[in-house]
Amino acid sequence: ETGVTQSPTHLIKTRGQQVTLRCSSQSGHNTVSWYQQALGQGPQFIFQYYREEENGRGNFPPRFSGLQFPNYSSELNVNALELDDSALYLCASSLYGTVQETQYFGPGTRLLVL
Amino acid sequence: AQSVTQLGSHVSVSEGALVLLRCNYSSSVPPYLFWYVQYPNQGLQLLLKYTSAATLVKGINGFEAEFKKSETSFHLTKPSAHMSDAAEYFCAVSPRDNYGQNFVFGPGTRLSVLP
Repeated sequence: ETGVTQSPTHLIKTRGQQVTLRCSSQSGHNTVSWYQQALGQGPQFIFQYYREEENGRGNFPPRFSGLQFPNYSSELNVNALELDDSALYLCASSLYGTVQETQYFGPGTRLLVL
Repeated sequence: AQSVTQLGSHVSVSEGALVLLRCNYSSSVPPYLFWYVQYPNQGLQLLLKYTSAATLVKGINGFEAEFKKSETSFHLTKPSAHMSDAAEYFCAVSPRDNYGQNFVFGPGTRLSVLP
């Protein structure tokens, strides 16, 4: 069974640039959720994708967008980067509607915006 | 709206001592409840979860948590701390009616284990 993987592990961007982060879900899972974890804080829910459509969104602006592909992998795109976007970005996969499966997290991508 | 509070941003215990990490939630309906652990520079690992079965939930690495509806609490305990337990611990809630769409995490408690 393959776990959740994320790429890249680290990334440095400058303010105003755009970034794409990638996530491969755990085998058998069909849902991917993305979280932003600022330094010293708990993760904050960005959005969830199921069947290639956004299936719930937290309090994040539209410049945070995503995609889910037929193989259930996912991308998080952030446009017009701001300094406050510097954080650890986590993705989690699960089997939709089955809390017994809960969410399994990847190791994260650490983004630094200068 | 749901919220999670974790009393104590940093807890220190001696090796072999009891570990108690506190979590209280605010929700109109008892949610699903989770504890995750995060080691430095890693993602989150599920320790245990409450999904309305037994109120005392046993997890990995000797941890357990008890759901107390009257106190809206889900405190995490371990009888005897080990050095390897030093990490950041997060309590999280998810609503029962749209599980996964709004997973809310607490701010975390950093556990230090002293030799």
